[in-house]
Amino acid sequence: GNSVTQMEGPVTLSEEAFLTINCTYTATGYPSLFWYVQYPGEGLQLLLKATKADDKGSNKGFEATYRKETTSFHLEKGSVQVSDSAVYFCALSSSGNTGKLIFGQGTTLQVKP
Amino acid sequence: DADVTQTPRNRITKTGKRIMLECSQTKGHDRMYWYRQDPGLGLRLIYYSFDVKDINKGEISDGYSVSRQAQAKFSLSLESAIPNQTALYFCATSKELAGGDTQYFGPGTRLTVL
Repeated sequence: GNSVTQMEGPVTLSEEAFLTINCTYTATGYPSLFWYVQYPGEGLQLLLKATKADDKGSNKGFEATYRKETTSFHLEKGSVQVSDSAVYFCALSSSGNTGKLIFGQGTTLQVKP
Repeated sequence: DADVTQTPRNRITKTGKRIMLECSQTKGHDRMYWYRQDPGLGLRLIYYSFDVKDINKGEISDGYSVSRQAQAKFSLSLESAIPNQTALYFCATSKELAGGDTQYFGPGTRLTVL
């Protein structure tokens, strides 16, 4: 079945460091891929998405490229800020346009000043 | 005002009690979802609904039931709560889009079953 695997956290970085959070997936068909972010005490919100192979999603300085050959969708940011501290979830859409998402386990990022 | 609201935000209850969690949305979306979040497990889908008359089980529906009272309201019930249902519960909505819906989440309900 479809699944998403993220790198384990927590990830602790200093402000202005480079961020990579790895995400790999297993899926049949051609799913869309998503990164959601959860700030403390809040619900999840979409950070970026990509709907087909080689697409790059980007938002707020974050980027991720849909790599079908490596079944990956790694999240990157060149210079993190304290305000980026949150839990990040990689997700894929189930086939058949059902709207259902399958989430990874989440990666906690803590950025220190 | 928030587009997706959940009530209550926090609830502590005892084993065996019936609990209802409510979700309302003003986004006008047909699709609504209930998830639970547990540390280290991400979010898991409990139930989802594509419209008032279309309700489907997710991957972990045992011990839960739902009611879609209107397009804007989707309630989750625990008929007889047990401690391993202690979790953070999220409601979400989406609009059907080619290439994958974007889901919009409520703020969550933290449920503790003693």
